[in-house]
Amino acid sequence: GQQLNQSPQSMFIQEGEDVSMNCTSSSIFNTWLWYKQDPGEGPVLLIALYKAGELTSNGRLTAQFGITRKDSFLNISASIPSDVGIYFCAGQFKGSEKLVFGKGTKLTVNP
Amino acid sequence: GAVVSQHPSRVICKSGTSVKIECRSLDFQATTMFWYRQFPKQSLMLMATSNEGSKATYEQGVEKDKFLINHASLTLSTLTVTSAHPEDSSFYICSATRQGWADTQYFGPGTRLTVL
Repeated sequence: GQQLNQSPQSMFIQEGEDVSMNCTSSSIFNTWLWYKQDPGEGPVLLIALYKAGELTSNGRLTAQFGITRKDSFLNISASIPSDVGIYFCAGQFKGSEKLVFGKGTKLTVNP
Repeated sequence: GAVVSQHPSRVICKSGTSVKIECRSLDFQATTMFWYRQFPKQSLMLMATSNEGSKATYEQGVEKDKFLINHASLTLSTLTVTSAHPEDSSFYICSATRQGWADTQYFGPGTRLTVL
């Protein structure tokens, strides 16, 4: 089936550092979504992107929808301990409500 | 807004019994609800898509007789794991899309199922 390549798989950073993760695909997506999942919880929507080239911020988070519609990145600035968790990208094809998920980026923030 | 709840949050059952998991959209009407399964340290795997009043659409490899889905209203969908076995133990998560906002799925908190 379709797959999103999400990288890196895991990150270990110090509090205060900036973080960047990305997803790429061989397919064109109509929508990109970024979710965060804490242990034992469901994913929480962070940012939704609907237009190629779109750059959207949510507090310390910034995400962009790639111009080719085949990639997206998520940046977290000035990381804090509560940023710890697994971040998933998800793409959605035009006309479909289904999501294709990346494999996740596990973020660890050392105080 | 866009809150999705699941009940129960965790359940332990004996092998051979059936377990029902509820998914509710609390502050919106959900055009579509989705059921996912997640194994430890893995991504979410879509099991089925359900629309109110119609039969669920199952993904390839998912047994429809094993995982019964009922979407009785625009705010409630249920997943019943029938004749559960230890290999059915997993984290089950539902999501819902709002009417007019089909691009965005809002997820429930998940249900941890353990089959002994």
